[in-house]
Amino acid sequence: EVQLVESGGGVVQPGGSLRLSCTGTGFTFHAYAMHWVRQAPGKGLEWVSFVTGNGGGTYYADSVRGRFTISRDNAKNSVYLQMNSLRPDDTALYYCAKDVTHSGWDSWGQGTLVTVSS
Amino acid sequence: QSALTQPPSASGTPGQRVTISCSGSNSNIGRDYVYWYQQLPGTAPKLLIYKNNERPSGVPDRFSGSKSGTSASLAISGLRSEDEADYYCAVWDNSLSGWVFGGGTKVTVL
Repeated sequence: EVQLVESGGGVVQPGGSLRLSCTGTGFTFHAYAMHWVRQAPGKGLEWVSFVTGNGGGTYYADSVRGRFTISRDNAKNSVYLQMNSLRPDDTALYYCAKDVTHSGWDSWGQGTLVTVSS
Repeated sequence: QSALTQPPSASGTPGQRVTISCSGSNSNIGRDYVYWYQQLPGTAPKLLIYKNNERPSGVPDRFSGSKSGTSASLAISGLRSEDEADYYCAVWDNSLSGWVFGGGTKVTVL
């Protein structure tokens, strides 16, 4: 069974940093691109970033480019999101998702909550 | 403001057919596959439709997707109470070099 578990969320002051982690089990981790998607309280889904299976390609939403960095360690079956210069509007539930090329994001974690507040 | 436009809400009685639209542009829907995700209250999103009109195994055939030009649609036929959820379209946007979601449509079963 495929499982994705996010961790690393918490409360941080504006301007601070956090590093989110997502560990995948039940599938060949390195074979799949991985995404981070966030959802602010009461709002819709917003794509944040994705990394290709071998880690060689990374893409970002305009809202986070230059502040967030996605990376992965395939030996640890994990993908990370380093978030710097955090702002109150980064407050959201952050999900990781597994990408099956042209077949959608077929597995999602339960999310980790990030709250940016003074 | 999202690159994809969805109606904020849709509703129907049990057994009815409900259709949700997703309007985009030549840089996204007009050139790439559309995906649909269902988010039940308090849960993570779930893949509903991929490659415009394909259903993953386990998704009932009451759900169907279509695409024409720069617009796409999700149809739910034989509406059931358990279909009450938020529905999102998603597509790669070539101009943005990133993925975009529609704003989401809340479906209510009356």
